[in-house]
Amino acid sequence: GESVGLHLPTLSVQEGDNSIINCAYSNSASDYFIWYKQESGKGPQFIIDIRSNMDKRQGQRVTVLLNKTVKHLSLQIAATQPGDSAVYFCAENMGTGGGNKLTFGTGTQLKVEL
Amino acid sequence: DVKVTQSSRYLVKRTGEKVFLECVQDMDHENMFWYRQDPGLGLRLIYFSYDVKMKEKGDIPEGYSVSREKKERFSLILESASTNQTSMYLCASTGGGADTQYFGPGTRLTVL
Repeated sequence: GESVGLHLPTLSVQEGDNSIINCAYSNSASDYFIWYKQESGKGPQFIIDIRSNMDKRQGQRVTVLLNKTVKHLSLQIAATQPGDSAVYFCAENMGTGGGNKLTFGTGTQLKVEL
Repeated sequence: DVKVTQSSRYLVKRTGEKVFLECVQDMDHENMFWYRQDPGLGLRLIYFSYDVKMKEKGDIPEGYSVSREKKERFSLILESASTNQTSMYLCASTGGGADTQYFGPGTRLTVL
């Protein structure tokens, strides 16, 4: 999984399988988390978010899980498709002291094999 | 849908040139941000703005300045471009009490 400041890991999955992308965050005061998808040559695209008062949130084919005890966030993509190939990264908002600023992870490259 | 646009997708400039990167959002957002993105380093915040004519330094403001004369437009200025400013530049905006930042398509700047 990814963490702020580390090299870009890669996850390869077969088309149709489920993907799980992990993110470790460092600030226990963070109260809001976002997952972004970034395709090659494009800007990051919002996928799903979650607040710290929740531990799970579902969207269309995506689920975000938050474990505050170990400061871990994961993104699950169901029935992964070729169009899901991209870099995925998490971001955290460090509560009221951080204003609207986000801290971003470096990302995980997801490769979908046919 | 939120739309954030950036003036150029690709830009090539020479060392020492003054460079302007423009960002426009159409959602009346109060907050706008400029990041640069480099391999292995993720997104790093250069400057941000909470309102018209207001600006605050981010994590790496050196060599950059910004301008926000109108609410919808946030400009990033490289006073004297250097080769180490070759990067992907991303603009984002947020507002209405929300924390989600919406990004533009990015400008890939190459300084020769």
